[in-house]
Amino acid sequence: RKEVEQDPGPFNVPEGATVAFNCTYSNSASQSFFWYRQDCRKEPKLLMSVYSSGNEDGRFTAQLNRASQYISLLIRDSKLSDSATYLCVVNRGNDMRFGAGTRLTVKP
Amino acid sequence: NAGVTQTPKFQVLKTGQSMTLQCAQDMNHEYMSWYRQDPGMGLRLIHYSVGAGITDQGEVPNGYNVSRSTTEDFPLRLLSAAPSQTSVYFCASSYTSGMSSYNEQFFGPGTRLTVL
Repeated sequence: RKEVEQDPGPFNVPEGATVAFNCTYSNSASQSFFWYRQDCRKEPKLLMSVYSSGNEDGRFTAQLNRASQYISLLIRDSKLSDSATYLCVVNRGNDMRFGAGTRLTVKP
Repeated sequence: NAGVTQTPKFQVLKTGQSMTLQCAQDMNHEYMSWYRQDPGMGLRLIHYSVGAGITDQGEVPNGYNVSRSTTEDFPLRLLSAAPSQTSVYFCASSYTSGMSSYNEQFFGPGTRLTVL
């Protein structure tokens, strides 16, 4: 079983839709959590950190449930430019563990 | 700032050949790491370094060596290439290795390696 599991996708949604991604992690010693975005054939880039109380950055909302070891990302009012693969990342000290990613395609 | 740079962008090797993937950063980051990305597997940590002269193994270290003689450079050496090492390799750096939620990793553009 992978340490970080994500919805496999792909998610195909129309512009303006709300879409949610889920992620679970198995190592309870994990301390910090992130969502990264990766465009096709490009490097990953930080989208947002995930804080215990939940946090929002514009159209993006991230939630963390430590008891259930579950992380989520909500994207509201999807734009064409949101099309990418979203990576759930868990930091447990000196190494970070990545989920396999969820691919999102936003269509006109 | 150039950020994190990697060379080469593409490489084709024959089984048994050795080579070094170069990685450099100009942000004075202490922590550097190497990942490989394979379809359906996500990024997996190969080796990492928390500072010059200090390296350690990650999740999938076999077949790879690293060294960190300076803060800026973190080369990855493939000792005897195998087809299973065909992958996209990313180098990354961050200010610290700590578990802070503010600890963003910056990635290089990647090296696409094919081993025949």
